[in-house]
Amino acid sequence: GQSLEQPSEVTAVEGAIVQINCTYQTSGFYGLSWYQQHDGGAPTFLSYNGLDGLEETGRFSSFLSRSDSYGYLLLQELQMKDSASYFCAVRSPGNTPLVFGKGTRLSVIA
Amino acid sequence: NAGVTQTPKFRILKIGQSMTLQCTQDMNHNYMYWYRQDPGMGLKLIYYSVGAGITDKGEVPNGYNVSRSTTEDFPLRLELAAPSQTSVYFCASSYTGLAVTDTQYFGPGTRLTVL
Repeated sequence: GQSLEQPSEVTAVEGAIVQINCTYQTSGFYGLSWYQQHDGGAPTFLSYNGLDGLEETGRFSSFLSRSDSYGYLLLQELQMKDSASYFCAVRSPGNTPLVFGKGTRLSVIA
Repeated sequence: NAGVTQTPKFRILKIGQSMTLQCTQDMNHNYMYWYRQDPGMGLKLIYYSVGAGITDKGEVPNGYNVSRSTTEDFPLRLELAAPSQTSVYFCASSYTGLAVTDTQYFGPGTRLTVL
């Protein structure tokens, strides 16, 4: 089976840095993805890590450690518009769909 | 490209009624998915399809049916609607489930209320 754990809620101040962690247990593993979902909207793809290390895309970075079954999403220079839910998802070998975590609700405050 | 489109956007059903949620993608993706999302919760996979004519159950398939007669369309059928099926339903697609990234593209969702 597969399971993912991520914090349910995180609050951070505008302009600050926040890290959202994700630990996973899977029988096989290709990579870790992150999706963002604003209230009332649909999930949208943010980033993917197939190898260990850091991937950077503008203010967002994502990290993966396969040996620790752990990854995180790092958001820098937080803006109010970053308030959203963030989901990690794992991809396993075979014809199996992505498995999503339960999501972390990020609230950015002034 | 329109991406993934879903109809209707909103619907209210009475208990016991049936309906079909429509989903169409124009990206020539092989894989398509149906999720439900209850308020404040994560995504639960209902059904998915790896290609036309092939469907498989996800985590919460009871009370739903799907078909995939074309690459583009993946309708979700609710039979005998129940209040527990009140949720937001998202359709998604990906190019191929065999690609390591398997980036999923989501439709805007259908907000269903069963009273």
